[in-house]
Amino acid sequence: AQKITQTQPGMFVQEKEAVTLDCTYDTSDQSYGLFWYKQPSSGEMIFLIYQGSYDEQNATEGRYSLNFQKARKSANLVISASQLGDSAMYFCAMERRSGGYQKVTFGIGTKLQVIP
Amino acid sequence: DAGVIQSPRHEVTEMGQEVTLRCKPISGHNSLFWYRQTMMRGLELLIYFNNNVPIDDSGMPEDRFSAKMPNASFSTLKIQPSEPRDSAVYFCASLFRTSGRTGELFFGEGSRLTVL
Repeated sequence: AQKITQTQPGMFVQEKEAVTLDCTYDTSDQSYGLFWYKQPSSGEMIFLIYQGSYDEQNATEGRYSLNFQKARKSANLVISASQLGDSAMYFCAMERRSGGYQKVTFGIGTKLQVIP
Repeated sequence: DAGVIQSPRHEVTEMGQEVTLRCKPISGHNSLFWYRQTMMRGLELLIYFNNNVPIDDSGMPEDRFSAKMPNASFSTLKIQPSEPRDSAVYFCASLFRTSGRTGELFFGEGSRLTVL
């Protein structure tokens, strides 16, 4: 069975500093994908970044980068130059491609608070 | 194009009543997911459909929960009878499945259910 683990219930970061949110996963599949989503206090789910298991380079989207270490089964999210608007819940998710179908399951989330 | 549309946004009901949550996925998307979010359990995958066919309903908590997708543009999640522990935010999400790279999983704004 696949499993996503986010071990940091809460994190604090100073504005303008970088922060790393941890995510580890467990799967026996060879082909899979990893997502990060942001959920602000307003409740919507905002897509941030995606990494496929066969992608050779780490994914980057603006201030977001995914530190993908396949052998260690980790997919940490790095946010550079934190802003007050980055305060939110962050969810790591894994897409399992099995039998031609895509099942996406989420970790329990990390609450990030950016301090002025 | 409109995003994933969920209704109702808020529902307050009494224990024992039937609850029906509705979802209209993005046009052209062929996979639809229902998630439940609570503080204790995070985002739980309840069921997902591909081309209107239920693929995996192992996350449905019990027989009181049922989901249907009669066509590509509409899905329902029904709880009958409802219980206070069903109180949560229910999200619907859709994506376009291809044989290659996965696209973004698009979320609706969620339906907040309160069962008294």
